[in-house]
Amino acid sequence: DTGVSQDPRHKITKRGQNVTFRCDPISEHNRLYWYRQTLGQGPEFLTYFQNEAQLEKSRLLSDRFSAERPKGSFSTLEIQRTEQGDSAMYLCASSLDYNTEAFFGQGTRLTVV
Amino acid sequence: AQRVTQPEKLLSVFKGAPVELKCNYSYSGSPELFWYVQYSRQRLQLLLRHISRESIKGFTADLNKGETSFHLKKPFAQEEDSAMYYCALKSGANSKLTFGKGITLSVRP
Repeated sequence: DTGVSQDPRHKITKRGQNVTFRCDPISEHNRLYWYRQTLGQGPEFLTYFQNEAQLEKSRLLSDRFSAERPKGSFSTLEIQRTEQGDSAMYLCASSLDYNTEAFFGQGTRLTVV
Repeated sequence: AQRVTQPEKLLSVFKGAPVELKCNYSYSGSPELFWYVQYSRQRLQLLLRHISRESIKGFTADLNKGETSFHLKKPFAQEEDSAMYYCALKSGANSKLTFGKGITLSVRP
């Protein structure tokens, strides 16, 4: 599968623990996005990278959240001191440029117990 | 701020019936609208975009700026159309997407 890849697919963690998710975009895609989707809602934008630069962060992204894309390829999303409200599907998407389609990964489902 | 509204959560029709999935948007700039689809156990994927003005899998959507709507239509639904459908608006230089809450389309045999 040469599409956007996310790892892990599922993560169960105890409240207060830190978790890290990884996203591998489609090769040569400069733009990378993170979205969060909770039950009954559409995906909500979290943050955007162009190459290695993080150019936009949503207000949804509290101080406990941090995202990186160190070499302009894969990206990681870390959540520190997880809370039950962080339980959601975390989606990654990538695109080549402004005018091209955004391709989504299958997501990482986080459950905080 | 931009907003996308999908007023219905579920639409259930019989095979062969017409389908219209509603989408309204609020955006101060020039909108670029999309429909995304998610089939069972599959990832979210683009169905169509308004600037393409094309029909995909028999679906069409016309942007109506006067009514700020982008409804998705298909004259004859098929069972394989059963899925979750999301309307989305692209905005800003970063081209982030604002999604509606989605609608489940169920096509019964």
